[in-house]
Order: sequence, then C-alpha cells, then structure tokens
Amino acid sequence: DTAVSQTPKYLVTQMGNDKSIKCEQNLGHDTMYWYKQDSKKFLKIMFSYNNKELIINETVPNRFSPKSPDKAHLNLHINSLELGDSAVYFCASSLPPQGAFGNTIYFGEGSWLTVV
Amino acid sequence: QKEVEQNSGPLSVPEGAIASLNCTYSDRVSQSFFWYRQYSGKSPELIMSIYSNGDKEDGRFTAQLNKASQYVSLLIRDSQPSDSATYLCAVSPSNAGGTSYGKLTFGQGTILTVHP
Repeated sequence: DTAVSQTPKYLVTQMGNDKSIKCEQNLGHDTMYWYKQDSKKFLKIMFSYNNKELIINETVPNRFSPKSPDKAHLNLHINSLELGDSAVYFCASSLPPQGAFGNTIYFGEGSWLTVV
Repeated sequence: QKEVEQNSGPLSVPEGAIASLNCTYSDRVSQSFFWYRQYSGKSPELIMSIYSNGDKEDGRFTAQLNKASQYVSLLIRDSQPSDSATYLCAVSPSNAGGTSYGKLTFGQGTILTVHP
C-alpha cells in the first residue's frame, strides 16, 4: 500500500499548457505539502495545507494553484506552463506539528514535469 | 547566507569507513532537525530526527546537534555501498506563532559515494 501517491509520475508538456498533478495519502495525516526539487536537487516547500486549510504559500507564482478537496487529497494545478517550471514535484504529508516540534514528513514518489 | 547549508560534496569514502556529513543553519529558534536520504530518481526518506543537544544513535547512524553553534551532523559508521545517495539536512523552525506550520527548510544536499 502506497502511503503518499501522486499521479502522473512523468509529464511532458508544451509551454503555455495547463496541467494538474494529483496527490492522495492514506496515512490519516492532517497536513499535506507540495515541494519542488529543481535540477540542482534543491528541495523547497511551495504550499502546506492543514485539514484543507492553506497554511503556507511560499511566494509561488499564482499560476500554481493548490486545491484540497479533503484532508487526504492535495492537488496542484499549473496554468500557462513555462520552461522554468520543469522540475520534480513532491507531494508529502505529516501529522500536525506538536507544539514547537515538527513531525516527520513522508514524501510521495514525485512527479517529473518537463516543459518543452 | 543560505538558511541551511551542508558541506559541499561529493563525499567519497571506502567501504567500512565513517562518513561524516555536516549542516549549519541560520535560524537560531529552530527546534527540529532531520536527515533525509534520497537515492537517485527516488523520493527523500527520513533516516534520523533530533530535537535536543547531544548525540542520537540509531544503528549505524548517529546524529549530533549543537544548538549553540547552530550545527547538526550525521555520522554513518561502517559505510556500505548501499549508503551511496544524496543526504539532505532539513530544519523546522519553531512553531511559535503558527506561521511556520510544519515547514521544512532543506539544505542543498551532499552526495555520498561509498566505494568497495
């Protein structure tokens, strides 16, 4: 059973297109995330949701719109794709932080997006 | 200054040796520290978490935290070729105020190669 699953795993698309990546977790976690890993392997948070509510939005262009229909799902829609959007997008989930301490974040397998 | 900085790699050690990975962070109020391992083409997986100053051991892995020096390290004893991967240091700031809810800030990663 995959804990955090995301689809599609590979996506090649042309500039200007709109695409979505779906994510689901079966861990019972309340908190879900989208992280982006660029070509230099630098992993950076984009969004965080807790129980369907947007908590973190890290200065991501508004072409990127996350949607959480319920706490087990967090989808990412990207409008007007640009070459620089090519990256690996990781969905992740965790229990909510406990006081001052963060909780373990579990990552999905990643979605490789290539914009041509 | 980068928020989380890791020793530049790649790091190459012979099988059976100790691999030492280092990480410094800039946010003094950080409370939670994590080491993730990422194999090529795979998602990051948690191998160690540490919250208090001192050492924490788990099998061949030892994490060391020094909050005064804003320094966290990972030692891998008896290194094996299967340890060859990119190691990511991640820091979670204090959740005081709630604005950093579950946010992990990653370093740029250190590539470790263990050669037979």
